[in-house]
Amino acid sequence: QKEVEQDPGPLSVPEGAIVSLNCTYSNSAFQYFMWYRQYSRKGPELLMYTYSSGNKEDGRFTAQVDKSSKYISLFIRDSQPSDSATYLCAMMAQGGSEKLVFGKGTKLTVNP
Amino acid sequence: DTGVSQNPRHKITKRGQNVTFRCDPISEHNRLYWYRQTLGQGPEFLTYFQNEAQLEKSRLLSDRFSAERPKGSFSTLEIQRTEQGDSAMYLCASSFAVSKHYEQYFGPGTRLTVT
Repeated sequence: QKEVEQDPGPLSVPEGAIVSLNCTYSNSAFQYFMWYRQYSRKGPELLMYTYSSGNKEDGRFTAQVDKSSKYISLFIRDSQPSDSATYLCAMMAQGGSEKLVFGKGTKLTVNP
Repeated sequence: DTGVSQNPRHKITKRGQNVTFRCDPISEHNRLYWYRQTLGQGPEFLTYFQNEAQLEKSRLLSDRFSAERPKGSFSTLEIQRTEQGDSAMYLCASSFAVSKHYEQYFGPGTRLTVT
């Protein structure tokens, strides 16, 4: 079992839809949870990060962490064609290693 | 400073040749990370530096791979005797200090093709 599982999709939605992206993980030591956006043939771009459990909102994006279920989510409201990209979840344990452990990424297409 | 830069952006090489990639981090960032990403996968950690000290290496970093950050600024990643399995996107990231180490900012990557 991989440490971080993410459905690769693809996911296709109409413009204006609410998008829900999710990851599950198995390592209880993970305390930092990040979402990256990656356009084709580009480097990942940090969207949001959350420490431990809870919600965080930034504009149209909301990140949620449920440590009891080892489940994290990213919601995108009022999705736009420019949101079309691959979304990667990433996690880091507290203390010790500073490596990010990534999911496979979910490819999202928002259709005009 | 607009972000992490990597050179070259693309590299095509023949199997058995050596290649070297360069990464210039965001100027005030003292931590620098290397990752590798293959098609359809998320990035996988290779190694990281705090200033010039290499603090962690992944098991993915075989003997043919070596990374340096000689003056605590830019870093190089060298692959010796390249193999077709080395074909991937090599990503560099940087972060600022121990309190923000989880905020890793990535460069555009170097895409390596081994023929």
